[in-house]
This record gives sequence, structure tokens and C-alpha cells, in this order.
Amino acid sequence: EPEVTQTPSHQVTQMGQEVILRCVPISNHLYFYWYRQILGQKVEFLVSFYNNEISEKSEIFDDQFSVERPDGSNFTLKIRSTKLEDSAMYFCASRGHPVNIATNEKLFFGSGTQLSVL
Amino acid sequence: GENVEQHPSTLSVQEGDSAVIKCTYSDSASNYFPWYKQELGKRPQLIIDIRSNVGEKKDQRIAVTLNKTAKHFSLHITETQPEDSAVYFCAALIRVTGGGNKLTFGTGTQLKVEL
Repeated sequence: EPEVTQTPSHQVTQMGQEVILRCVPISNHLYFYWYRQILGQKVEFLVSFYNNEISEKSEIFDDQFSVERPDGSNFTLKIRSTKLEDSAMYFCASRGHPVNIATNEKLFFGSGTQLSVL
Repeated sequence: GENVEQHPSTLSVQEGDSAVIKCTYSDSASNYFPWYKQELGKRPQLIIDIRSNVGEKKDQRIAVTLNKTAKHFSLHITETQPEDSAVYFCAALIRVTGGGNKLTFGTGTQLKVEL
């Protein structure tokens, strides 16, 4: 079964440093997302991406965050200057196979990148 | 924006008993309601979902009900087993401008099935 893959699984960085989290969504999916989960808390929406542009973003997704789909397979989340409170598990997700309409809404998550900001 | 409330936050049941988790949503335009199971340190896994044109859906020991008028939906697990122990999240999907959509999650329920 196809999966969303994320790298790295763990990332440790110093406060103020830039990090790039990488994701390969399921092939042929049309919609891409980043979510984050602080330890013990709920999964929070960050941003959705469709047709090569951001379609929705939350208040968490401020100027320090950006997303990019540099080629036909990768989807990246960049945090320009990390803060302690950015420490969380970051999940990439995708959905929306153009042919399999019956499962169009189903959101598939990657295994996550645990970001630790020291 | 959409707001999803979930309760209880923790639920402890005896093996074989039923467990019920309830969620409410705020935006009447929401049209898709999935439930995710998350084990410690792992990704959320979709276990069942329901669309707004259906009132109930069942898959073996798991069922979901939806009341559109009241804007609430529930997860029912029957004959619970220890491996059902996990955090369960409800979610609601709403379409946004630009052709995309957004899935908003509830706050989660820690289910513990005791022997």
C-alpha cells in the first residue's frame, strides 16, 4: 500500500537555526498538508497546499514558516529561525487521488518528524 | 473557523465492554468526519469515517453515528480488547476557498482497556 514518507524521523537543532522537513506524498495525490503535534496534545493544522499554492494556513503558520513543492514528488516545510516552542512532531499528509473518487477525502499521514529545538 | 470538541479526554473500560467517544463541531458546512487512532509515538491511523449524507456506518466492532442537526458524531467500539488502547481523535473536514480543504481535529481521548 502506498505511504507518505517523511525524513528525517528525528531532527535536533539549536534555537535560531533553520530546519527543513521533507515529505514525499502518495503519488498522484493532489492535496498536501502539514500538521504538528506537541507532546500529549492534539494534532494541529498548519497549512494546506493545492495546485502549487497555499490554500489555507493557520495562525501558527507565521512568517517563519514556508512550504515548497520543488519537484513532482517532494513537499517541504521550512522553519527559518526555530524557537523552543517549535519543538513538536510534524506530520505531513496527503489526499485526493484524481481517479479514486471514493477515497478522495481520506487523509493519509506520514510517520512524522520529531523536531527538538534546544 | 471550525471548532471540534471531544469528550471524554480519558476513558477506562474493562475488556469486553463498549466504549463511546463523542464529538461536536461548529461549522455546518463540514461534510466529512473521520476518526483516527494514534498509538504512542506513531502516526494517526484512519479507522473509520462517515460522510454527511449518512447517519451511521459500521465496520466490525467499530461504528460511527452522525447527527447533522445537532452537529455531533460519536465513535462506538464494542467488545473492546487491550489492543484498542490508544488515543482516538475525531476530525471534521471543511472545504476552503481555493479548492482545498482543512481537517480540524478534536482534542483526543485516551482509551485504556483493562484486563
